[in-house]
Amino acid sequence: ETGVTQSPTHLIKTRGQQVTLRCSSQSGHNTVSWYQQALGQGPQFIFQYYREEENGRGNFPPRFSGLQFPNYSSELNVNALELDDSALYLCASSPPSGSRGNTQYFGPGTRLTVL
Amino acid sequence: AQTVTQSQPEMSVQEAETVTLSCTYDTSESNYYLFWYKQPPSRQMILVIRQEAYKQQNATENRFSVNFQKAAKSFSLKISDSQLGDTAMYFCASGGGADGLTFGKGTHLIIQP
Repeated sequence: ETGVTQSPTHLIKTRGQQVTLRCSSQSGHNTVSWYQQALGQGPQFIFQYYREEENGRGNFPPRFSGLQFPNYSSELNVNALELDDSALYLCASSPPSGSRGNTQYFGPGTRLTVL
Repeated sequence: AQTVTQSQPEMSVQEAETVTLSCTYDTSESNYYLFWYKQPPSRQMILVIRQEAYKQQNATENRFSVNFQKAAKSFSLKISDSQLGDTAMYFCASGGGADGLTFGKGTHLIIQP
């Protein structure tokens, strides 16, 4: 069983640029969530995608946007990058609702540095 | 809104000892889930244990167990026979539905040889 994968591993961008991060969900999982983890902090929920629609969002501005594809993989897009966007971005997938439907399984993350 | 508080920024114990990490939470949900995740230096967030709030029985996974006190909104993690590989950041989290998970700030656990 393949776990959650993310690409790229590391990324360096300049303030004002745009970035796209990618995530492949674990086999059989249909829901994808994205989190931002600043250094020394716990992850903060950005948004969640289910059936290719955003169905939940945390306290992040609209320049954070996403997509989910028919194969349940997902992208996180961030426009007009700011220095404070430097963080580890984590993707998590969840199985269909059921006994373990609320459990999220995480990928290894993408480290984004904004200069 | 949900909040999760971990009051121990760092803990250190000797190998083979038992250690308990504390977590308190607050939620307006009537049915909710609680989790402990481990994040080693490799950064991958690994699920340690999961508790469904409507179940009174405390969850157990091998050396890991929880003490779930629903009325007190407390959810502590006990690690028995600690091993060097248990060294990591441990995060307590609640939620898991469309509002995502709410995490605490984490406890850095160090297992000394």
